[in-house]
Amino acid sequence: DARVTQTPRHKVTEMGQEVTMRCQPILGHNTVFWYRQTMMQGLELLAYFRNRAPLDDSGMPKDRFSAEMPDATLATLKIQPSEPRDSAVYFCASGPGQGYQPQHFGDGTRLSIL
Amino acid sequence: QKEVEQDPGPLSVPEGAIVSLNCTYSNSAFQYFMWYRQYSRKGPELLMYTYSSGNKEDGRFTAQVDKSSKYISLFIRDSQPSDSATYLCAMSGGAGTALIFGKGTTLSVSS
Repeated sequence: DARVTQTPRHKVTEMGQEVTMRCQPILGHNTVFWYRQTMMQGLELLAYFRNRAPLDDSGMPKDRFSAEMPDATLATLKIQPSEPRDSAVYFCASGPGQGYQPQHFGDGTRLSIL
Repeated sequence: QKEVEQDPGPLSVPEGAIVSLNCTYSNSAFQYFMWYRQYSRKGPELLMYTYSSGNKEDGRFTAQVDKSSKYISLFIRDSQPSDSATYLCAMSGGAGTALIFGKGTTLSVSS
């Protein structure tokens, strides 16, 4: 059963440190999404890519967040410098981008910034 | 007003009950509607998806979309303790575009 893989599953670090989260989309999926989930806001889009090109990053704080797809099998989300308000669960999802097929999610990276 | 509204619950029902979960939305451009189930410390898992208005059935689950009322529903028949989870509605305006989520309804089914 194909799955989206995210690493690390958990990350605890101190304020000001750089955080890198990684995502391996489902093989053959050309659209990759980053979402953030908090109790207050629920699930919200940060950015998404199609064929490795960014399509929308309007949900990301640009001064500290960056998202890239170095190749078709890897997406990264970086926070530098991290702040306590970045504490959340970060989810990656992928979809085939053709016709309509819905997105499938990974199990997330649970991030705590002290 | 958020684009998608969903009652957070919690909703508690006995095993075997019929469960009704609902979302309302404000953006008439939404065309694709999904329901995801999320267990604690796991990612959202796709349950149902529909395009435009109408009903879709899959086993014990039925999804309904009423675009004229901007209202979507998920019905669970013969609910089981394993259905205890958070249910998220999600929608988008175009194929393969980002989803807008409701905040989720927490369901507990007791045996």
